[in-house]
Amino acid sequence: GQNIDQPTEMTATEGAIVQINCTYQTSGFNGLFWYQQHAGEAPTFLSYNVLDGLEEKGRFSSFLSRSKGYSYLLLKELQMKDSASYLCAVRDSNYQLIWGAGTKLIIKP
Amino acid sequence: ETGVTQTPRHLVMGMTNKKSLKCEQHLGHNAMYWYKQSAKKPLELMFVYNFKEQTENNSVPSRFSPECPNSSHLFLHLHTLQPEDSALYLCASSQQGGGGSYEQYFGPGTRLTVT
Repeated sequence: GQNIDQPTEMTATEGAIVQINCTYQTSGFNGLFWYQQHAGEAPTFLSYNVLDGLEEKGRFSSFLSRSKGYSYLLLKELQMKDSASYLCAVRDSNYQLIWGAGTKLIIKP
Repeated sequence: ETGVTQTPRHLVMGMTNKKSLKCEQHLGHNAMYWYKQSAKKPLELMFVYNFKEQTENNSVPSRFSPECPNSSHLFLHLHTLQPEDSALYLCASSQQGGGGSYEQYFGPGTRLTVT
């Protein structure tokens, strides 16, 4: 079967750095996405990785290792508004997105 | 209106009712999706339409019936639902289905409660 694993919940301090990991086992790989979802709101796109390495976008970076079936989302200079769930999704060989259950990130002052 | 809109935002229905969820995208996209989101579970892809053609039906019970009259509108018709169908139903669109870096844009969802 296909599976995406993420930690259920993480806590971090305002101004700090946090890394949210995602491991996957899927039938094929055609890209990995990270989305942010605030409580009661729609998921919004953060990043896309299809080649190994780091993609940086301001305070957010995403890393991919295809050989290890592993990705992480790195959030720097955390702000209270970063409190949200972070969803990892992998596009499989049929070009459909397989989603993780999400990581709830709690930011404390 | 911009982005992806969904109506209604909240819906309470009995198990014998028939209702429809509506989604509209104002982004000029060619692919549209229905997802089910239950608490603490991964998003479940239900249906995919690419250029108005249904390309995916992930073993969804027949009490859920999609309709895509054009590339901007998507409906989910509901009938004789079960309490376990209570969830957030999200609509999304993307430039097209298939590969590439085309991210999906989500609507705010319809919170469905089946009593």
